[in-house]
Amino acid sequence: EIVMTQSPATLSVSPGERTTLSCRASQSVNSNLAWYQQKPGQPPRLLIYGASTRATAISARFSGSGSGTEFTLTISSLQSEDFAVYYCHQYNDWPRTFGQGTKLEIK
Amino acid sequence: QMQLVQSGPEVKKPGTSVKVSCKASGFTFRSSAVQWVRQARGQRLEWIGWIAVGSGNTNYAQEFQERVTISRDISTSTAYMEVSSLRSDDTAMYYCAAGHYCDSWGQGTLVTVSS
Repeated sequence: EIVMTQSPATLSVSPGERTTLSCRASQSVNSNLAWYQQKPGQPPRLLIYGASTRATAISARFSGSGSGTEFTLTISSLQSEDFAVYYCHQYNDWPRTFGQGTKLEIK
Repeated sequence: QMQLVQSGPEVKKPGTSVKVSCKASGFTFRSSAVQWVRQARGQRLEWIGWIAVGSGNTNYAQEFQERVTISRDISTSTAYMEVSSLRSDDTAMYYCAAGHYCDSWGQGTLVTVSS
């Protein structure tokens, strides 16, 4: 099974700042990597797929990059609604797996 | 617009089974895949398995292989997930999601296992 490791576990950032979240795969997942945002009491929402393609209606503040085993999600100019938990997910191999999440909190 | 609507919350006793439904609309169900993911309170997302709707082929995470069955009814655009031999640590929110990279998610079904 491919293990997805996200870092850091918690990130404290001020509104308006730019921040980068990391996700590492234990073996190559090519570009078959997605990012999700989850707020309390809600299901996850797809942000990025194919490592760098924004999903429908997702703000251009969100961008993804990477391939193989190293991936990043960058959020430029953080807004109040961006503070949430973010998960990466590989869909290259069976079983599909998720990272443990990064909690983005207000500094 | 893709939409998935799941069945309501369930309270079950240990050792029993639960079957959760996921009704799809707004996309071509037959051409899609449906995945199931669960999340215990405050914990990470945990992938359970998936079904390719057209072929009916399924794939499961190893830890769920023996106790979970994912199925679908194309005529009603509904996917199902049944978990047997329930344990207290199966208490979680269960989500269905459509697409190869979980494009759209259901609202979740809370399954509580308690004696």
